[in-house]
Amino acid sequence: DVKVTQSSRYLVKRTGEKVFLECVQDMDHENMFWYRQDPGLGLRLIYFSYDVKMKEKGDIPEGYSVSREKKERFSLILESASTNQTSMYLCASSTPGQSEAFFGQGTRLTVV
Amino acid sequence: KNQVEQSPQSLIILEGKNCTLQCNYTVSPFSNLRWYKQDTGRGPVSLTIMTFSENTKSNGRYTATLDADTKQSSLHITASQLSDSASYICVVSEYGNNRLAFGKGNQVVVIP
Repeated sequence: DVKVTQSSRYLVKRTGEKVFLECVQDMDHENMFWYRQDPGLGLRLIYFSYDVKMKEKGDIPEGYSVSREKKERFSLILESASTNQTSMYLCASSTPGQSEAFFGQGTRLTVV
Repeated sequence: KNQVEQSPQSLIILEGKNCTLQCNYTVSPFSNLRWYKQDTGRGPVSLTIMTFSENTKSNGRYTATLDADTKQSSLHITASQLSDSASYICVVSEYGNNRLAFGKGNQVVVIP
């Protein structure tokens, strides 16, 4: 079975802190994605990566950056966390041309 | 403008009853459409995939339909169970593109 693992289920951080959300997949997928999910807004794409060291901005990249140094790992970085970044963050992976994205269990981030 | 619209936004149904969820999309060129189930606090999990040539596909008590001409899909849940309480997300793939277009989800609550 495909497994996408996010490092934390719940996270509480203070405003201004630097936050790292880690995601690891074990299926050798080229594509990896970071989404945030908010009530009434659905899933919105923050960044995605189609290869090691490659990244593309999604629909809402402001306030975020990403890192993909290894194929299996895709990190989302909040340089200076703000309260409007309180959300559910979902990581996903897929192969090129394959429509199914496999999701991690999500990280519920609260910024206080 | 969102390329995938789902209705109703939420519904409450009695255990044992049937329900139908709707998804309309404008994504073009179309590759395929998936329905995902997302339990509260978890990541989405794929239920069905519909390609251009498929009209109906079943997965247990879940039956998905696709009308590629009118760009509409439905997900029918038969004999609902309490465990069907979840958000159901319609996801459409654009041909030749790694990105996915997400609906905002149908929130289903099954009550005894």
